[in-house]
Amino acid sequence: GAGVSQTPSNKVTEKGKYVELRCDPISGHTALYWYRQSLGQGPEFLIYFQGTGAADDSGLPNDRFFAVRPEGSVSTLKIQRTERGDSAVYLCASSSPGTGLSNEQFFGPGTRLTVL
Amino acid sequence: DQQVKQNSPSLSVQEGRISILNCDYTNSMFDYFLWYKKYPAEGPTFLISISSIKDKNEDGRFTVFLNKSAKHLSLHIVPSQPGDSAVYFCAASLNNYGQNFVFGPGTRLSVLP
Repeated sequence: GAGVSQTPSNKVTEKGKYVELRCDPISGHTALYWYRQSLGQGPEFLIYFQGTGAADDSGLPNDRFFAVRPEGSVSTLKIQRTERGDSAVYLCASSSPGTGLSNEQFFGPGTRLTVL
Repeated sequence: DQQVKQNSPSLSVQEGRISILNCDYTNSMFDYFLWYKKYPAEGPTFLISISSIKDKNEDGRFTVFLNKSAKHLSLHIVPSQPGDSAVYFCAASLNNYGQNFVFGPGTRLSVLP
């Protein structure tokens, strides 16, 4: 009955390094979302998975960002050649879409990424 | 260009009084609107939503009003309680285009005892 969990809670890395951020959605939730929240801003959509496939990746800022969800549950957001501007809180959310209107998304606590 | 705007970065209200948080949007295709509440070091939690076919939705102390012609919605909290102190995000989605939400920048509400 746990909620969405994200690891690590904090990640400090150096410019140019590669990082992976993990999200464990609520069990049974087929939809998974990644958002990025910069200081003083609201969450900004990055990518949405329905099952194993990325249904909408229009929010990924550039090709340094990539996300996978190979078994339709856990997802990993991967950032290559990190830049200082990538510093933000990365939020993951999951939902169990039915038909019709958008459904409530349940958010994890986020991973705070700091690129030095 | 921000599609969802929350022009008040902060709001202070006395306990027991009404809190009114405002949100404006620019995309007339948005069809579904939500309010999320966020405490420090936690993810946003869903509060209340409204579909564009309605102009009001109420849940306990929380009421959301939607004015589609003005592209404006508001969240009313009455009576306000100190535990309501948090950052409130307005979000909108395009139902027919997928499920990603467009969030506003948030309003920090402080309810003073």
